[in-house]
Amino acid sequence: QLVQSGAEVKKPGASVMLSCKASGFTFTSSFMHWVRQAPGQGLEWMGRLNPHNGGTDYAQKFQGRVTMTRDSSINTAYMEVSSLTPNDSAIYYCARQAGGMDVWGQGTAVTVSS
Amino acid sequence: DIQMTQSPSSLSASVGDRVSITCRASQGIREDLGWYQQRPGEAPKRLIYTISKLQTGVPSRFSGSGSGTEFTLTINSLQPEDFATYFCLQYYSFPWTFGQGTKVEIK
Repeated sequence: QLVQSGAEVKKPGASVMLSCKASGFTFTSSFMHWVRQAPGQGLEWMGRLNPHNGGTDYAQKFQGRVTMTRDSSINTAYMEVSSLTPNDSAIYYCARQAGGMDVWGQGTAVTVSS
Repeated sequence: DIQMTQSPSSLSASVGDRVSITCRASQGIREDLGWYQQRPGEAPKRLIYTISKLQTGVPSRFSGSGSGTEFTLTINSLQPEDFATYFCLQYYSFPWTFGQGTKVEIK
């Protein structure tokens, strides 16, 4: 199971830190991905984290603006998105890697508005 | 980046119908293709992985097929709970990419 943090409202230019707490499996054994979905739109892959060693792979679009980290002691993955604009308003999902992505969090809604 | 072209973007069907959704990859992706269902207000749910392997707990009326660059999700005997949006995902190479989605609506 993946449980994500609650909804966020941010102003343009701010940063947001999202969390994703894993349970029921060995956190460090599976990559963790982040995917976002703007209102009424499709799914967009943002990147993935290796909880074992902290290694990351980011979509080029988000390089320099997204940082994925983890705290293995509490089985939690984090994603920070900086320099937010209204175009970043979306639902953000974490998902475990296994044959694609098998288990998904419930999503965190982020609204960016002045 | 690998482009996933999904069709149709929407379709109308009746309970009991058989429907098919196609994804075409811009290059070969071996067997690294999955299908997801998303109902309004919910997270995506995996139905199929590795082209044709059924996720545990998913009804057998869902099936996947294809090879190389063309893949199909088939729903036999559509049920009321199947009216949703469906996405394909290629996980052969980074960045992973999704199809644009197919909304299955009630006729």
